[in-house]
Amino acid sequence: QSVLTQPPSASGTPGQRVTISCSGSSSNIGSNSVSWYQQLPGTAPKLLIYRNNQRPSGVPDRFSGSKSGTSASLAISGLRSEDEADYYCAAWDDSLRGLFGGGTKLTVL
Amino acid sequence: QVQLQESGPGLVRPSETLSLTCTVSGGSISSFYWSWIRQPPGKGLELIGYIYNNWRTNYNPPLKSRVTISVNMSKNQFSLKLNSVTAADTAVYYCARAQTGYGGNPGEFDHWGQGTLVTVSP
Repeated sequence: QSVLTQPPSASGTPGQRVTISCSGSSSNIGSNSVSWYQQLPGTAPKLLIYRNNQRPSGVPDRFSGSKSGTSASLAISGLRSEDEADYYCAAWDDSLRGLFGGGTKLTVL
Repeated sequence: QVQLQESGPGLVRPSETLSLTCTVSGGSISSFYWSWIRQPPGKGLELIGYIYNNWRTNYNPPLKSRVTISVNMSKNQFSLKLNSVTAADTAVYYCARAQTGYGGNPGEFDHWGQGTLVTVSP
């Protein structure tokens, strides 16, 4: 069972806005930044959001991140079929142990 | 552009040692945090550990007694050894680079290898 809690699944129709939550504690999300990763089927994870809300170059601005207290969220607006993937949040804890959420499988209906 | 590539046996016998190497190209291994992450089939990601700054290491506590991560600077490679493996260690193993974040601590994993499946079976 992961220390960071994500819903196992999420879904939306093309064009919709969906959000994925990630819940932690004061020793991880509460005191360190959050990153998000997209994993398309059969591929390695790809960095989507870092330092809570920063996008690497090349990541569309349809993807956004936020953090409040011990929780974080990933929002995807203008949902597209190619967004169907697994999404993982990650954070470091105060012992510099890297933590991942259990992952959320996003289905585009 | 930094690229990472895992290499090593795809099959390991139970109780033996899993050994993988990650070759880094397009950048020096002398800084950043160099990590091993695994993903059992159909499951989520788990950080195994990482090596950094004068080759200090930090291992995930449940695996700490079985893991060694080391660096070969002359080849720009870092390696993973996991001993006494069981079927529960069957997974896709990724090597990844973590950026240096706030206060010099590790940050986001910005570069990943493609992953290599290691199966533990007699």
